[in-house]
Amino acid sequence: DTEVTQTPKHLVMGMTNKKSLKCEQHMGHRAMYWYKQKAKKPPELMFVYSYEKLSINESVPSRFSPECPNSSLLNLHLHALQPEDSALYLCASSQLGTSGGGQETQYFGPGTRLLVL
Amino acid sequence: SQQGEEDPQALSIQEGENATMNCSYKTSINNLQWYRQNSGRGLVHLILIRSNEREKHSGRLRVTLDTSKKSSSLLITASRAADTASYFCAVRYNFNKFYFGSGTKLNVKP
Repeated sequence: DTEVTQTPKHLVMGMTNKKSLKCEQHMGHRAMYWYKQKAKKPPELMFVYSYEKLSINESVPSRFSPECPNSSLLNLHLHALQPEDSALYLCASSQLGTSGGGQETQYFGPGTRLLVL
Repeated sequence: SQQGEEDPQALSIQEGENATMNCSYKTSINNLQWYRQNSGRGLVHLILIRSNEREKHSGRLRVTLDTSKKSSSLLITASRAADTASYFCAVRYNFNKFYFGSGTKLNVKP
């Protein structure tokens, strides 16, 4: 199974709402990632989890709160978002090397398309 | 920004022709990867080249890496309409940090 699943596929939320994005993989990968992609732009790294611990936060605003409950699941909790946060949110996973460094191939989910009104 | 730059931004060719896209980056890397994205969907890994490699092939794909120029190219030979997509290079600097280039939008006309 080389699939990364993301739910929901689409999400519309108001600026006062709280919502969560979910990501799941069953490939035994110990690194999981959140990316944000605006239209016609490349994906931008937001967060990286290694062995269920947050290892990289690319200066993301606190209205985005990641969580990794176990080695297969990754959540992104959203609160008080702004219209400019509307984007495609991509989850990815990869293996980890013995040194804890990221391994090569990232497997991406189909993304959640978020619209903030 | 540590993201790479790609050119061209857009490329339109006929089926059967070859497509070449280029990627430049800024600092030393561990490896460079190429991904494909179909119209607002998830990315699919195509090929990886390590910093100590100069060329790599996979099916109709050929990737080169010139670390002295901090650049890479992706060649798709005998293109097909199904190759129509956006192509991104991604560089891995250290540990788990991946940065994507600006992307090339390829249109292959049947």
